[in-house]
Amino acid sequence: GENVEQHPSTLSVQEGDSAVIKCTYSDSASNYFPWYKQELGKRPQLIIDIRSNVGEKKDQRIAVTLNKTAKHFSLHITETQPEDSAVYFCAAKGAQKLVFGQGTRLTINP
Amino acid sequence: DTAVSQTPKYLVTQMGNDKSIKCEQNLGHDTMYWYKQDSKKFLKIMFSYNNKELIINETVPNRFSPKSPDKAHLNLHINSLELGDSAVYFCASSQVPGTAEAFFGQGTRLTVV
Repeated sequence: GENVEQHPSTLSVQEGDSAVIKCTYSDSASNYFPWYKQELGKRPQLIIDIRSNVGEKKDQRIAVTLNKTAKHFSLHITETQPEDSAVYFCAAKGAQKLVFGQGTRLTINP
Repeated sequence: DTAVSQTPKYLVTQMGNDKSIKCEQNLGHDTMYWYKQDSKKFLKIMFSYNNKELIINETVPNRFSPKSPDKAHLNLHINSLELGDSAVYFCASSQVPGTAEAFFGQGTRLTVV
């Protein structure tokens, strides 16, 4: 089945700098790759997703890139702000389910 | 207008008890899920139902039994609770299994003492 590895587990950046979180997946048949943000004590919420027929997608300060050959995808957050502090999860579509990475705790330092 | 709602939000109970968590979605989705989030924040799928039919049953002790009376509801019953069951349980729904946005409920923090 699908296996998703996410790195780093924790990331601390200065406000205004960029943050990058990387994931790899194992199933070459996976075709859907969402990213979720979970603030402290809240539910995970989708922030951006990408499908396998696209290499990059951008939404304001966040972007996701996908390399199907290498089976990895990344989340890029530019001009980070304090409200970006949260746990971020990547996911990949397995057999009728989303398989999540282990999560990255992102801290934005003022 | 809450899209996916689950109750209760907090549940504290003693070992050996039986408890249920309820989930309802008003999005008209066909697929519903139960995820368990442990203390390290790892999100692991437990069950998935599509149109009231069980389609995913991960390696979960049979003390956990999901029930879907209709497409909009997926409840989770847990028998003989153990300390290791303490976690946050999230219900979620999506239009199709695995290839569309999953909407999560607010979570149920279960503490077994």
